[in-house]
Amino acid sequence: DQQVKQNSPSLSVQEGRISILNCDYTNSMFDYFLWYKKYPAEGPTFLISISSIKDKNEDGRFTVFLNKSAKHLSLHIVPSQPGDSAVYFCAASPRDDKIIFGKGTRLHILP
Amino acid sequence: DAGVIQSPRHEVTEMGQEVTLRCKPISGHDYLFWYRQTMMRGLELLIYFNNNVPIDDSGMPEDRFSAKMPNASFSTLKIQPSEPRDSAVYFCASSFGTGLRGYTFGSGTRLTVV
Repeated sequence: DQQVKQNSPSLSVQEGRISILNCDYTNSMFDYFLWYKKYPAEGPTFLISISSIKDKNEDGRFTVFLNKSAKHLSLHIVPSQPGDSAVYFCAASPRDDKIIFGKGTRLHILP
Repeated sequence: DAGVIQSPRHEVTEMGQEVTLRCKPISGHDYLFWYRQTMMRGLELLIYFNNNVPIDDSGMPEDRFSAKMPNASFSTLKIQPSEPRDSAVYFCASSFGTGLRGYTFGSGTRLTVV
């Protein structure tokens, strides 16, 4: 049973436009939600996170939105840049417990 | 700090052989995680340690897999005997506590069992 779901395996976005990556979860006990970015032949790197008590967190070009009633979160990247091409993993964890990852969405930024 | 260090980066072995993957976490981190990445399953947690003690090994696929953390600066993941379906990228990650700061991952070990 997948507790964290990323239903889009890939996404292509024009450079300079907004990239929106989506994620759904099933476990209402999750307290923390995170996004990781992964380049080929490298490990995932932490990008941004949000606590379940908030509905938005912003860090530069990256904003994460959390909709607890819909059990949905999204990552917005504005504006998209070529270096943003990577695999993005959505992840979640209950307090003081392990992080569970989605299967990832491959983002292609088109010139 | 050099980050989480994994070795080897690549491992090719024959079916039935023993494979040992190694990890050095970031100094001061009290949690260590072993993940496996495959196309079918994505990133799945195999086992994690807190202060060198295994906390949750429910993700370990079967008895052929074992993990140890003899001290705060070293961990191993062993597969014996290895099978072709074990081919994947294995990541080690460490963290100080859990929560919003997430984990720091190593660069991974790409294992190919032929």
